[in-house]
Amino acid sequence: DVKVTQSSRYLVKRTGEKVFLECVQDMDHENMFWYRQDPGLGLRLIYFSYDVKMKEKGDIPEGYSVSREKKERFSLILESASTNQTSMYLCASTTNQPQHFGDGTRLSIL
Amino acid sequence: KNQVEQSPQSLIILEGKNCTLQCNYTVSPFSNLRWYKQDTGRGPVSLTIMTFSENTKSNGRYTATLDADTKQSSLHITASQLSDSASYICVVTLNTGGFKTIFGAGTRLFVKA
Repeated sequence: DVKVTQSSRYLVKRTGEKVFLECVQDMDHENMFWYRQDPGLGLRLIYFSYDVKMKEKGDIPEGYSVSREKKERFSLILESASTNQTSMYLCASTTNQPQHFGDGTRLSIL
Repeated sequence: KNQVEQSPQSLIILEGKNCTLQCNYTVSPFSNLRWYKQDTGRGPVSLTIMTFSENTKSNGRYTATLDADTKQSSLHITASQLSDSASYICVVTLNTGGFKTIFGAGTRLFVKA
């Protein structure tokens, strides 16, 4: 079974902090994704990566960056956290389809 | 504008009853449509996937239909169980050679005993 693991289920940070969200997958998938999920909205793509050290902007990349130094690990970085980045963050990976999701990190920015 | 709209927003049914969730999309060019189930506090899990030429796909008590002409899909749940309580998300992928996907906001289903 595909396993996508997000390092934290819940996280509370302060405005202005640099925040790292980690995601690891164990199926050697080339493609990895970061989404945020907000009530009443569909998942929105922040960034994705199709190979090590490769990254592409999604629909809402502002205020975020990513890092993919190893194939199995994809990190989302909030350079200077703001309250409007309080959300559920979901990581996913796939070779083709469907995407396999982690259980999410609920991030609160105070 | 590419959009995926789901209805109803939420639904409460009695255990053992059937229900149907709707998904309308205005995505083009269309590649495939997937239904995901998302339990509270968990990530979405794929239930079904349908391409343009498929008009029905089953996964146990879940049956998805697709009408590519009217751009509508439905997810029918038969003999509901308490464990069916979850959000059901409709996702459409564009046929643009990449990973462009549009997610619906989901239908929140509550199954009560």
